[in-house]
Amino acid sequence: DAGVIQSPRHEVTEMGQEVTLRCKPISGHNSLFWYRQTMMRGLELLIYFNNNVPIDDSGMPEDRFSAKMPNASFSTLKIQPSEPRDSAVYFCASSWESYEQYFGPGTRLTVT
Amino acid sequence: EDQVTQSPEALRLQEGESSSLNCSYTVSGLRGLFWYRQDPGKGPEFLFTLYSAGEEKEKERLKATLTKKESFLHITAPKPEDSATYLCAVRADYGQNFVFGPGTRLSVLP
Repeated sequence: DAGVIQSPRHEVTEMGQEVTLRCKPISGHNSLFWYRQTMMRGLELLIYFNNNVPIDDSGMPEDRFSAKMPNASFSTLKIQPSEPRDSAVYFCASSWESYEQYFGPGTRLTVT
Repeated sequence: EDQVTQSPEALRLQEGESSSLNCSYTVSGLRGLFWYRQDPGKGPEFLFTLYSAGEEKEKERLKATLTKKESFLHITAPKPEDSATYLCAVRADYGQNFVFGPGTRLSVLP
């Protein structure tokens, strides 16, 4: 299996622009998670989906953030408008039910 | 509220010098405790899952143990390639989300 795939790997954008991060989970997994990692706050869960349905989005910082999972093999995390404080590494992870999560390589976002 | 703490924050070892990393947790019903390794610029890599107190798992130089309040990751005769950040996470018996600890940054010097 190719593992969790994320794109782009790096994104540099200006404040106010829309940013879309993409994730393809491991085939057969039914849960998908979006995390944000910073030096100050560590790894934070933003939202997770089970069977393509958002279950818990309490970690989404504000309305500028939105996530979708239109099918079992694709998810997006969108930030609109982006701000400098959104700069971080964003990880997508997938799992089968309650078992261990497998992480993608991450997207390093820089908002100037 | 579910919480995970890890100690020490950073650890420097000489090659061959065994040691242990600690993960303490408070959770209302533990469904599983997970250890991950993260190398710079990469996503966390799954190492172990522990489900109940007394359980142990081993992989090469690493051994994970679990009690009702904490888990230890024992590193025996480490090598420089073991240098990484080690993350601990817990999953409660409700929902599917993980709560991650802040990690221990391990450096093994040749």
